[in-house]
Amino acid sequence: ETGVTQTPRHLVMGMTNKKSLKCEQHLGHNAMYWYKQSAKKPLELMFVYNFKEQTENNSVPSRFSPECPNSSHLFLHLHTLQPEDSALYLCASSQDGGARATNEKLFFGSGTQLSVL
Amino acid sequence: AQKVTQAQTEISVVEKEDVTLDCVYETRDTTYYLFWYKQPPSGELVFLIRRNSFDEQNEISGRYSWNFQKSTSSFNFTITASQVVDSAVYFCALSEAYRGDKIIFGKGTRLHILP
Repeated sequence: ETGVTQTPRHLVMGMTNKKSLKCEQHLGHNAMYWYKQSAKKPLELMFVYNFKEQTENNSVPSRFSPECPNSSHLFLHLHTLQPEDSALYLCASSQDGGARATNEKLFFGSGTQLSVL
Repeated sequence: AQKVTQAQTEISVVEKEDVTLDCVYETRDTTYYLFWYKQPPSGELVFLIRRNSFDEQNEISGRYSWNFQKSTSSFNFTITASQVVDSAVYFCALSEAYRGDKIIFGKGTRLHILP
């Protein structure tokens, strides 16, 4: 079992749908992240959670709503998305985040490939 | 503002050739960290190396080596005797000293190793 697991691997949704992406880490880490990877654009940090508290929201539109019920689970709730939101959404974890982050490495999941029609 | 530039979008080399992936960064911080990650076709990024701004020693790990030069703000990555399994997208990244969770990534370089 890999350290960071994301489900589903692929998701196709209409612009009026509501769906959720799930991420689970089995590494005992305290920080979790959502990144967006679009074609021809750098990886974009979306949200950071440290000890279940959100420490970073990188000006993400409100149609993306994160939820972190505990340090092991992270969700990204999606509603009324736009076609330009189609991308690979990557979850990652690290030992610590926020002011306690010590620049240690990130552990990534395999991502959810999202297509918005 | 912080920025990471990977000018090479895509590179193809024949197996066993050496290849260097370029990375140039911009930051106003005097203390910062640089990273390289590998993204194979399976999708997950895999950590390769982390260096802090005070350590300019070059590093070698098997066929991989990294050349950090503060004078040119570069952190280049060389694969020696490339193999087909090295085919992937490689990302260079930068983080501030006191917000190690805010990592800025370059656009990546897609590397094709041809048999």
